Amino acid sequence: EAAVTQSPRNKVAVTGGKVTLSCNQTNNHNNMYWYRQDTGHGLRLIHYSYGAGSTEKGDIPDGYKASRPSQENFSLILELATPSQTSVYFCASGQANTEVFFGKGTRLTVV
Amino acid sequence: GQQVQQSPASLVLQEGENAELQCNFSTSLNSMQWFYQRPGGSLVSLFYNPSGTKHSGRLTSTTVIKERRSSLHISSSQTTDSGTYLCALDPSNTNKVVFGTGTRLQVLP
Repeated sequence: EAAVTQSPRNKVAVTGGKVTLSCNQTNNHNNMYWYRQDTGHGLRLIHYSYGAGSTEKGDIPDGYKASRPSQENFSLILELATPSQTSVYFCASGQANTEVFFGKGTRLTVV
Repeated sequence: GQQVQQSPASLVLQEGENAELQCNFSTSLNSMQWFYQRPGGSLVSLFYNPSGTKHSGRLTSTTVIKERRSSLHISSSQTTDSGTYLCALDPSNTNKVVFGTGTRLQVLP
């Protein structure tokens, strides 16, 4: 069974602080993705990666950085968190032309 | 522009009725996947279906590439089917996966 694990599952951060969301996959997939989900917008792609060392901008990258230090790990970094970044964040992994697997999500609140 | 359009945006059924959810896309694609999500819940994969028809219990997914559409049919709906249904596709040559905004389904007893 494909496994994608996100941590933390819940996070409260202060405005201006740094937040790192972590994602680990045991599927040996090349591609990994970070999305945020907000009411009225569905899931929007923030950053994605084709493999270790690569990161690509998605549709809404502003205010976010990503890091892919290994095949298994993909992090989303908010250097200066803002209340507008309060959301639920989902990580996913997949291979080209195959099914994508999602983590359970991280609920981030920036106060 | 919007690459993936889902319709209807919301749907209310009486238990036992059937539902047809649509996903239309403006590009050629490598993959198509349907997900189910309860409010506040995680994404549950229903089908990976880049072309043709697949069945799973009361659910059927049909993707017609040349017409740039995919559908999800729910037969004999149950109250436990209530939630949001999302389609996601990987446009050709991008390796991105983009989502529609979903169909919110409510099945009444």
